[in-house]
Amino acid sequence: DVVMTQTPLSLSVTPGQSASISCKSSQSLMHSDGKTYLYWYLQKAGQPPQLLIYEVSKRFSGVSERFSGSGSGTDFTLTISRVEAEDVGVYYCMESIQLPPAWTFGQGTKVEIK
Amino acid sequence: QVQLVQSGAEVKTPGSSVKVSCQASGGSLKSHAITWVRQAPGQGFQWMGRIMPMLGVTNYAQNFQDRLTITADKSTGTAYMELRSLRSEDTAIYFCARGYDYGPYWGQGTLVTVSS
Repeated sequence: DVVMTQTPLSLSVTPGQSASISCKSSQSLMHSDGKTYLYWYLQKAGQPPQLLIYEVSKRFSGVSERFSGSGSGTDFTLTISRVEAEDVGVYYCMESIQLPPAWTFGQGTKVEIK
Repeated sequence: QVQLVQSGAEVKTPGSSVKVSCQASGGSLKSHAITWVRQAPGQGFQWMGRIMPMLGVTNYAQNFQDRLTITADKSTGTAYMELRSLRSEDTAIYFCARGYDYGPYWGQGTLVTVSS
């Protein structure tokens, strides 16, 4: 099974500053079809997860340009530029390359505002 | 805008079954997979399985293979998740999501509480 490891597990950020979250997978997430099956979600309190980034670096419709994803293979990063109060919540990376099929999430990174 | 609307909270006793629905509004289930994921209180996410309604094909996580059934009614755009032989560890919020490899759209979640 693929294991997704996020660091840090919590982050306190001053508004206007940047924040980065790392996600490492136990195996490469690049498929022979050329896609890399790595996604980023934000879960706000009492809500379902909302998709931020798909296939490493593609922003989902309506997602602020302040969110960006990067990385390849097994190492990935989510960067939040100019953090705002509305960015608080738990951020999860997720993979879906493995067989038998499954979505495997990281442990989550809780972001709060200072 | 695609919306997935799930059925309401359930309280069940150990050994019983629960069936949660997930209806698509503003769109159709026909060409999209519906995936079920659960989140135990204060915990992370656990993928349970998915259905491709157009093909009638399902995939289940090994952990749930013998007590989970996912179905879909194409005519009403509704997917269902039935979990049997419930135990206290099944207490969780159950989410449906539209998508095969990932979920751009999620239901609001259904809290299932298993307690004697």
